[in-house]
Amino acid sequence: KAGVTQTPRYLIKTRGQQVTLSCSPISGHRSVSWYQQTPGQGLQFLFEYFSETQRNKGNFPGRFSGRQFSNSRSEMNVSTLELGDSALYLCASSPQAGGFREQYFGPGTRLTVT
Amino acid sequence: AQKVTQAQTEISVVEKEDVTLDCVYETRDTTYYLFWYKQPPSGELVFLIRRNSFDEQNEISGRYSWNFQKSTSSFNFTITASQVVDSAVYFCALHGGATNKLIFGTGTLLAVQP
Repeated sequence: KAGVTQTPRYLIKTRGQQVTLSCSPISGHRSVSWYQQTPGQGLQFLFEYFSETQRNKGNFPGRFSGRQFSNSRSEMNVSTLELGDSALYLCASSPQAGGFREQYFGPGTRLTVT
Repeated sequence: AQKVTQAQTEISVVEKEDVTLDCVYETRDTTYYLFWYKQPPSGELVFLIRRNSFDEQNEISGRYSWNFQKSTSSFNFTITASQVVDSAVYFCALHGGATNKLIFGTGTLLAVQP
C-alpha cells in the first residue's frame, strides 16, 4: 500500500498570501488529521476530518481551515499568511474516526513565509 | 489539563551505548494512550509504540524497550546498543479520551556518533 502523500513538499510564500496544502491518505483510510510543527510551539494538532466532516479542532485562528473530499483526500488552507505560519505541516491518516491510536504520517510540507 | 514533558532536549551518545529517553505525562483521564514516535531528518513521523493506561507491562522490540509506570506518570524509552541510524528526534505523545486530541512532548534530539 502506498503511504500518506503530501504535496507540495516545499513552499515559499509571502506574508499576506494564502496557501493550500494537499494530503492523500492511505487507501481505505477515511480519517485525516493535520498538525503544525514549529521550533517554538512544537507539534500541535490543527484538525481532523472524517467522511468529509471536521470532527475535531485544535486552538488555531480561523485563518486555518480545511476540507475533505469524497475520496478522503484533504486540503488545508491558510489565509493571510503571517511569518509565524512558517512550519512543517504534517498530515496523518487513520482507518477510523478519532483514530489517534493508529495514525500514519506523511513526509510533511515545509512552508516558509517571507 | 494534559501535558507531556520531555526534559531532555538533546542527547549525544557513542554508537553501541545504551540510552534512555524520558517522558513524563499529566492527565486526569483514567483511560488514555501513550505513544512514541521517531522523526528522522526526512521529517516523517514514524510510529514506534502505543500503550494504553491499563497495560503497564513493559515491552521489548529488538533493541527498543519501554517502561511504563503509572505511579510516576512516566513512559520511558530505552535504546540498547545504539546505532547511527537511531539518530533522530523522538517524541512522546498522549491521547486522552476527554479531549480526544494527541498531545506531543517537545521531543528529544538523539545524536548517535560513530
